[in-house]
Amino acid sequence: EVQLVQSGAEVKKPGESLKISCKGSGYSFTSYWVGWVRQMPGKGLEWMGIIYPGDSDTRYSPSFQGQVTISADKSISTAYLQWSSLRASDSAMYYCVRNLNLDYWGQGTLVTVSS
Amino acid sequence: EIVLTQSPDFQSVTPKEKVTITCRASQNIDTMLHWFQQKPDQSPKLFIKYASQSISGVPSRFSGNGSGTDFTLTINSLEAEDAAVYYCHQSNDFPYTFGQGTKLEIK
Repeated sequence: EVQLVQSGAEVKKPGESLKISCKGSGYSFTSYWVGWVRQMPGKGLEWMGIIYPGDSDTRYSPSFQGQVTISADKSISTAYLQWSSLRASDSAMYYCVRNLNLDYWGQGTLVTVSS
Repeated sequence: EIVLTQSPDFQSVTPKEKVTITCRASQNIDTMLHWFQQKPDQSPKLFIKYASQSISGVPSRFSGNGSGTDFTLTINSLEAEDAAVYYCHQSNDFPYTFGQGTKLEIK
């Protein structure tokens, strides 16, 4: 069974750094793209970027380029989304997704940034 | 960047009605268009892939159609459990994008 299991909810202060994770199982992790999708409270879905764990090819939406870093550790079948300096506007639910057609979704990681 | 525009933004329908949601792309995306259903406090789920391909486990009353720039998601004989927000998504060109969503309410 394909599963994407994300790390737990985070509460951070503005300016802090954060790295959330997404562990894939039940499939060949290096053979499928893994992406990230943001959903701000009460809003729609926003495609952030995607990585191919097999060769670390990474693509970003211009809206998120330079704001976040997507990475993957294929040895532990885990993808990451990280921020070096969080802002209050980064408060949202973040989903990891598999494949270019987003056929499987993680359960979401709620990030709250507040002073 | 390819812009996807869904219509309507909101629709209130009665059970057993037929519903059609439209997604228009700002440029040709062939059939690289997928539909998702999201219920409150749940992760979205893939409901139709590549414009018209069905997904295992999704009720057969859901169907998709279209190619190029105009796409539709049709729900035949709506059921109460279909109340949700529906999103289209294109994977033709980076950056991938989503439509703004269509909220379906059951009367």
